[in-house]
Amino acid sequence: AQSVTQLGSHVSVSEGALVLLRCNYSSSVPPYLFWYVQYPNQGLQLLLKYTTGATLVKGINGFEAEFKKSETSFHLTKPSAHMSDAAEYFCAVSEITGGGNKLTFGTGTQLKVEL
Amino acid sequence: SQTIHQWPATLVQPVGSPLSLECTVEGTSNPNLYWYRQAAGRGLQLLFYSIGIDQISSEVPQNLSASRPQDRQFILSSKKLLLSDSGFYLCAWSVGSGNTIYFGEGSWLTVV
Repeated sequence: AQSVTQLGSHVSVSEGALVLLRCNYSSSVPPYLFWYVQYPNQGLQLLLKYTTGATLVKGINGFEAEFKKSETSFHLTKPSAHMSDAAEYFCAVSEITGGGNKLTFGTGTQLKVEL
Repeated sequence: SQTIHQWPATLVQPVGSPLSLECTVEGTSNPNLYWYRQAAGRGLQLLFYSIGIDQISSEVPQNLSASRPQDRQFILSSKKLLLSDSGFYLCAWSVGSGNTIYFGEGSWLTVV
């Protein structure tokens, strides 16, 4: 079964600083990996995903993530944080089932951006 | 384009009362449908998923049930709510295998 570990339940950065949110996964098959963002009292919005091909994936709002098979990691980065990036971020791995797919989520990382 | 609607957005229910949360998807056919729960300070837990009408899998034994009476309608129910059922419930959909799962806006349930 797949699993996801997000290191650091809370991360705080200064506005303009690098954002790095860590995600490690466990999967017995080549994984599909996702990052979602959740703003307060809202549903989850897809930031980016990795399926196959290029290991550096670019998403919305300037975020990107790199799939590193040897490290079983899919860390999320953004070169310069903005106040509007403050939210909760979830890493997820997809498990393909008969006819569909299921996402297993990490426990989330709350990003705080300070002036 | 595809849209997902989930209601009610907020619900306060007494212990022992029934529950019905409804979700509909528009703009696609034969979607995979999901119910997730997000408890305070915890991640997202998959409760049910469905690949077709009357094809529902339960991930966690609990006080809840799900039904899919129509292709694009997914309902989460309980006959008698417990305090531990409080949380943020998210309906979601996808199409095919390995594709993105898209989430609704969620429903806050507080059991008092």
